[in-house]
Amino acid sequence: AQSVTQLGSHVSVSEGALVLLRCNYSSSVPPYLFWYVQYPNQGLQLLLKYTSAATLVKGINGFEAEFKKSETSFHLTKPSAHMSDAAEYFCAVTKNTGFQKLVFGTGTRLLVSP
Amino acid sequence: DTGVSQNPRHKITKRGQNVTFRCDPISEHNRLYWYRQTLGQGPEFLTYFQNEAQLEKSRLLSDRFSAERPKGSFSTLEIQRTEQGDSAMYLCASSLGGAGGQGEQYFGPGTRLTVT
Repeated sequence: AQSVTQLGSHVSVSEGALVLLRCNYSSSVPPYLFWYVQYPNQGLQLLLKYTSAATLVKGINGFEAEFKKSETSFHLTKPSAHMSDAAEYFCAVTKNTGFQKLVFGTGTRLLVSP
Repeated sequence: DTGVSQNPRHKITKRGQNVTFRCDPISEHNRLYWYRQTLGQGPEFLTYFQNEAQLEKSRLLSDRFSAERPKGSFSTLEIQRTEQGDSAMYLCASSLGGAGGQGEQYFGPGTRLTVT
């Protein structure tokens, strides 16, 4: 079975500050890991993904994440927050073979203050 | 590539009524997924199609729920005898599975169902 834990249902940062959203996973097989962003009343947009290539993954809008197998973590970071980054962020895991059902965490709401 | 589309975007219905949602995937995508998202939670998997074949269903998908994907194109999700607990956002996603693609799932905007 696979699962994802996102620490912190809400994270608040000031504009220009570092963004760090935490994600820890559990998987009995090598995982693929994803970060999605969701704006109010919209679907999910893929930010970045880890698929067993480079452990440091760069995504859209200046976000990146590092896969750390020893810590079973896949934390999302951005050096400098922008007001437009305010949204809900979801970490998800799936198996690296066959059928790819995504298992999502409960999400972290990022609040950005001026 | 016009993305994944879902209709309707919002649906309000009375308890006990039947509702049907439609999802149009990205045209070349052979895989289609339905997820349900309740307030404050992440999406939860409901069911998955490869072409027209429904290959997996979650235990969340009770016998009041049925999904189809005729001809491997659009998909419909029907809920019979709706209950207040069915109120949620229903998300559809599609991907290109197999050797030709990396299987990224692209999500539609969702259908928000409110059962009164």
